[in-house]
Amino acid sequence: GAGVSQSPSNKVTEKGKDVELRCDPISGHTALYWYRQSLGQGLEFLIYFQGNSAPDKSGLPSDRFSAERTGGSVSTLTIQRTQQEDSAVYLCASSLEVGGYTFGSGTRLTVV
Amino acid sequence: GQQLNQSPQSMFIQEGEDVSMNCTSSSIFNTWLWYKQEPGEGPVLLIALYKAGELTSNGRLTAQFGITRKDSFLNISASIPSDVGIYFCAGRYTGTASKLTFGTGTRLQVTL
Repeated sequence: GAGVSQSPSNKVTEKGKDVELRCDPISGHTALYWYRQSLGQGLEFLIYFQGNSAPDKSGLPSDRFSAERTGGSVSTLTIQRTQQEDSAVYLCASSLEVGGYTFGSGTRLTVV
Repeated sequence: GQQLNQSPQSMFIQEGEDVSMNCTSSSIFNTWLWYKQEPGEGPVLLIALYKAGELTSNGRLTAQFGITRKDSFLNISASIPSDVGIYFCAGRYTGTASKLTFGTGTRLQVTL
């Protein structure tokens, strides 16, 4: 598509449930990134996929968080046993090797 | 993860005033980017800088890549109400492929 697409746009889940967030990057972009943004705060790096290389998982806050990127395109971020502190906007971005990122509009996750 | 030092943290200005914000890093960057984020949206790229000393304009926005390669500034001239948002700087360290490091953001409010 023309831009980065994220779904769902909003997700409310009960504490302890698992959630999956989806990202469709721009076609042809080799790099894909997940960031987390708490209310009014900056961008917290989570994970980064670049081509066929092993992903950079250095930003994942706990082992409840995982992500995969299938076929070098769509990515899914999974949060297991969600906690209230996981509530945030989860942003996905994609890019070519150089240049800036193009961000999606994010998924607003609320854990109740 | 690492973040850039971005200042000021927030600004309240009157319509028509000029705005200046900056970012500094302890490491050398080979790319500086400036993004704007409006409520409910992902950040949108405003200006990209690729060479030390480079000065680039985009309408009323002007950004510079510092000579030391450790800083960048963004100026907005003659601010208008639609300039409201959070502005993020981002940089790419030499040797980190496409991954960007983001500043903590400058929240801009414009009053009439």
